Amino acid sequence: SQKIEQNSEALNIQEGKTATLTCNYTNYSPAYLQWYRQDPGRGPVFLLLIRENEKEKRKERLKVTFDTTLKQSLFHITASQPADSATYLCASDSGGYQKVTFGTGTKLQVIP
Amino acid sequence: DGGITQSPKYLFRKEGQNVTLSCEQNLNHDAMYWYRQDPGQGLRLIYYSQIVNDFQKGDIAEGYSVSREKKESFPLTVTSAQKNPTAFYLCASSETGGGGNIQYFGAGTRLSVL
Repeated sequence: SQKIEQNSEALNIQEGKTATLTCNYTNYSPAYLQWYRQDPGRGPVFLLLIRENEKEKRKERLKVTFDTTLKQSLFHITASQPADSATYLCASDSGGYQKVTFGTGTKLQVIP
Repeated sequence: DGGITQSPKYLFRKEGQNVTLSCEQNLNHDAMYWYRQDPGQGLRLIYYSQIVNDFQKGDIAEGYSVSREKKESFPLTVTSAQKNPTAFYLCASSETGGGGNIQYFGAGTRLSVL
């Protein structure tokens, strides 16, 4: 069955460094991948979407890549700040259905 | 302000009781969704609706029911058949078509059992 996984439950990083989060998928070929940010006790907020024919997408300090050979998306936050501390979720389409499937999330903590 | 409004923010259920969580959107989106989130876990889809008067079961629909009588509203009822209802419930909406199904979420309802 199709799976989307975020292998790191938590990631600690020093302020100013680049944080890199990983999302892997198996047994299917998503048409797109999405990344969301979730703060404690709040709903997720959409950040970026990348389609299968795009290698890279950027938005301010955020960058996302999509590698169909490795079946992986990487999400980068450059010059990380304590305010970037949150849980980041990846999600993908579900093969033509009007729904998305979410990974379990990676909790990022940026240490001052 | 456009967005998704969920109410109440906190809800308590007694054993054997049905409770209903409200979700309203003014984004003019056709599709709406209900997710459940347990501590340290991702979002699991309960039900979704692509259009008024139509809805489909998600991955964990047992013990839940929904209705979609208006485009703006997608209430979720947690029935007494749901034996472990304590969780954070999130409602979302999205455009249909080729827009990538970006999900817009409400602030959530935290349901606890008394």
